[in-house]
Amino acid sequence: DAKTTQPNSMESNEEEPVHLPCNHSTISGTDYIHWYRQLPSQGPEYVIHGLTSNVNNRMASLAIAEDRKSSTLILHRATLRDAAVYYCILSVDSNYQLIWGAGTKLIIKP
Amino acid sequence: AAGVIQSPRHLIKEKRETATLKCYPIPRHDTVYWYQQGPGQDPQFLISFYEKMQSDKGSIPDRFSAQQFSDYHSELNMSSLELGDSALYFCASSQGLGSREQFFGPGTRLTVL
Repeated sequence: DAKTTQPNSMESNEEEPVHLPCNHSTISGTDYIHWYRQLPSQGPEYVIHGLTSNVNNRMASLAIAEDRKSSTLILHRATLRDAAVYYCILSVDSNYQLIWGAGTKLIIKP
Repeated sequence: AAGVIQSPRHLIKEKRETATLKCYPIPRHDTVYWYQQGPGQDPQFLISFYEKMQSDKGSIPDRFSAQQFSDYHSELNMSSLELGDSALYFCASSQGLGSREQFFGPGTRLTVL
């Protein structure tokens, strides 16, 4: 199964944009890229997903490299409530199983 | 909006005992997923159900079993509990097997003594 690689942690200032990188060099053509986040003591929360094209929603933007071997989650204006562990996850198209890796702990400084 | 409900929220058991965790998906969601998250670890997929049938199986031990009922709620049954089973157990639901968005419950924290 294809895996993802993310930085262990990142820091950002409040009200500034945040770019969270993810490498998935062994991604296959039908694997979707998902981002979930997990706030302390809570269940994971869906953020965004994409296949080939860049995606935008009310929470974030997802920029996918042309070769699909990497992607970047963009939080346009981080708030203290965005402090969480962000997981970049691949799902195999055939069974929709989410393959979790070690996420990035995002620290927001006021 | 209604969310995924899990019960109990906390459970303490002794080694070799059994435990049953329950998950009530969001109304009209027909797919349920179970995940295990050990202390300081990332979630691991256990098993999923779609329309009351098992749809996928991950790293679920043979001591565990699960099913989805006619009202779409799901139960995870865990027998011969071991210390290593202590973890957060999350249930997620989605509308349709092909949905790319899973909605997670608050989790059940199981402690095995």
